[in-house]
Amino acid sequence: DAMVIQNPRYQVTQFGKPVTLSCSQTLNHNVMYWYQQKSSQAPKLLFHYYDKDFNNEADTPDNFQSRRPNTSFCFLDIRSPGLGDAAMYLCATSSGGVLNIQYFGAGTRLSVL
Amino acid sequence: QKEVEQNSGPLSVPEGAIASLNCTYSDRGSQSFFWYRQYSGKSPELIMFIYSNGDKEDGRFTAQLNKASQYVSLLIRDSQPSDSATYLCAVDRDSSYKLIFGSGTRLLVRP
Repeated sequence: DAMVIQNPRYQVTQFGKPVTLSCSQTLNHNVMYWYQQKSSQAPKLLFHYYDKDFNNEADTPDNFQSRRPNTSFCFLDIRSPGLGDAAMYLCATSSGGVLNIQYFGAGTRLSVL
Repeated sequence: QKEVEQNSGPLSVPEGAIASLNCTYSDRGSQSFFWYRQYSGKSPELIMFIYSNGDKEDGRFTAQLNKASQYVSLLIRDSQPSDSATYLCAVDRDSSYKLIFGSGTRLLVRP
């Protein structure tokens, strides 16, 4: 059974139209991450939560925001998507312990028209 | 210099051969090292992790770590066409719970 679930798997939005991607987990992990991955590139960390403590990467555009209302759920909000935001968005979780194994969801492929 | 470097490939090997994938990293403070497999259009899947110098074996996979030389490698024995994928090397950042990923090496196993 999937332990990190992302919805939707595919999202098409229009230029400038806000979009929200969701992630849920059944692992009861402390840490949830959002990555952006473009073709043939490394996953790029956007931000992460340790419990309710939000951590933004320095180079994450202001256009991207996140919410974590409880342990199980985390959302990625893109306020005004541009063509350059078309990518795969990956959610991952980890226990946050010494050996930080990250488990990924299936990803959401975002297209911007 | 990139923090985690991998040859982009493609690395092409015949079925049944040993595939050797390499990764170098820049942060001497890194403690944990991971190999993820990513099929085209899919998300990364963990296949190995290692945190001590030396070799760690799991089935057809062997991870090798040399902290003095700052490299980690993945050997795949008896390569199968189903092993064709991109292999991402990931290293913990500042011994934190964040990972830095390399761009991956694309492996092609020819039948």
